[in-house]
Amino acid sequence: DTAVSQTPKYLVTQMGNDKSIKCEQNLGHDTMYWYKQDSKKFLKIMFSYNNKELIINETVPNRFSPKSPDKAHLNLHINSLELGDSAVYFCASSQTSGGQETQYFGPGTRLLVL
Amino acid sequence: KQEVTQIPAALSVPEGENLVLNCSFTDSAIYNLQWFRQDPGKGLTSLLLIQSSQREQTSGRLNASLDKSSGRSTLYIAASQPGDSATYLCAPTGNQFYFGTGTSLTVIP
Repeated sequence: DTAVSQTPKYLVTQMGNDKSIKCEQNLGHDTMYWYKQDSKKFLKIMFSYNNKELIINETVPNRFSPKSPDKAHLNLHINSLELGDSAVYFCASSQTSGGQETQYFGPGTRLLVL
Repeated sequence: KQEVTQIPAALSVPEGENLVLNCSFTDSAIYNLQWFRQDPGKGLTSLLLIQSSQREQTSGRLNASLDKSSGRSTLYIAASQPGDSATYLCAPTGNQFYFGTGTSLTVIP
């Protein structure tokens, strides 16, 4: 069974479109994250949700909106896509209570904006 | 803001060699530090997590050390194998999460 899954794996779309990426974890973790990895392989955190509450929001444009319907899901919605949004987006989860904070990553969603 | 540097950026070694990857960070107020590997076109796999109160962690041929006061961590890989070829990332975790730029390792058969 896949611990952290993301859909879709690949996303090619036109500039100006709105798209969503879904993430689900079946590990029972209480915290989920979205990361962006750019073409230079820099990995930066975008959002973190703990028990459905946003606890980190780095300087991400408000075109990006995370949505957590429950603690097993953290979806990422992107409005008015721009060329610079092209990157690989990784979802991750961890259990922040009890000292086990190892992050488990999904396989990534490769977004290409044309 | 935490700055994380990994040296070297790339490393190529013959199979069987022992090697050390270095990670340095500027903010020592961390809860833990994780080492990950990333295979080309793939996600990240956690290798080791060291709590801030620990000095080292071992898993198989991997040993990671942490010197929080000096802002340094090392990942030691013993008897390297071609399957170890990947990019290795360190991630010190405090109130926020920052990843290093990674060390790209190639182990030559």
